[in-house]
Amino acid sequence: SQTIHQWPATLVQPVGSPLSLECTVEGTSNPNLYWYRQAAGRGLQLLFYSVGIGQISSEVPQNLSASRPQDRQFILSSKKLLLSDSGFYLCAWSVRRGQLNYGYTFGSGTRLTVV
Amino acid sequence: GDSVTQMEGPVTLSEEAFLTINCTYTATGYPSLFWYVQYPGEGLQLLLKATKADDKGSNKGFEATYRKETTSFHLEKGSVQVSDSAVYFCALSEGGNDMRFGAGTRLTVKP
Repeated sequence: SQTIHQWPATLVQPVGSPLSLECTVEGTSNPNLYWYRQAAGRGLQLLFYSVGIGQISSEVPQNLSASRPQDRQFILSSKKLLLSDSGFYLCAWSVRRGQLNYGYTFGSGTRLTVV
Repeated sequence: GDSVTQMEGPVTLSEEAFLTINCTYTATGYPSLFWYVQYPGEGLQLLLKATKADDKGSNKGFEATYRKETTSFHLEKGSVQVSDSAVYFCALSEGGNDMRFGAGTRLTVKP
């Protein structure tokens, strides 16, 4: 069966420090991968998505970046964190068959607090 | 572009009450529609989905019917439980592209 792992679960980082969040998927190949951010009490904001190794699309300009070094690995990074980067970060994957999207499977999330 | 609008919360109900969370969408074609649920401190879980008009998605006592004529996908449950307390997200995906989420509706069920 397919599983998605996301870590760490919680993270407290000082302003200006770097960030690396990792997400891996098991049990499927060539998934579409996504990074979302959920600010406190708010909806989901799509940050990045990837349809293949090395292919990254950014939805919003910011000091975050994403990379996909392997088929089932998706990394969210920052060189210098801002206070506004605090939030709940969610990784997700999906498999697209034809023109139908069968839904996303989400990781358990990383709660990032920048202090 | 495609978008989803869902009723603002929070919604507070007593146990065994009837639940409706409204969701309407805007799309150029024929999207797939979804409801996700997020329990406190967790990621989102797919609750139910519908891929074409008049389809009814159902799971765990929740139902939603894809209404193309009203561009709606309202979530309903006949008798809510305390364990249903969570944030519910309506979402759509068109042409297999990335999913668009509503802002989420927080539901609190009191015993």
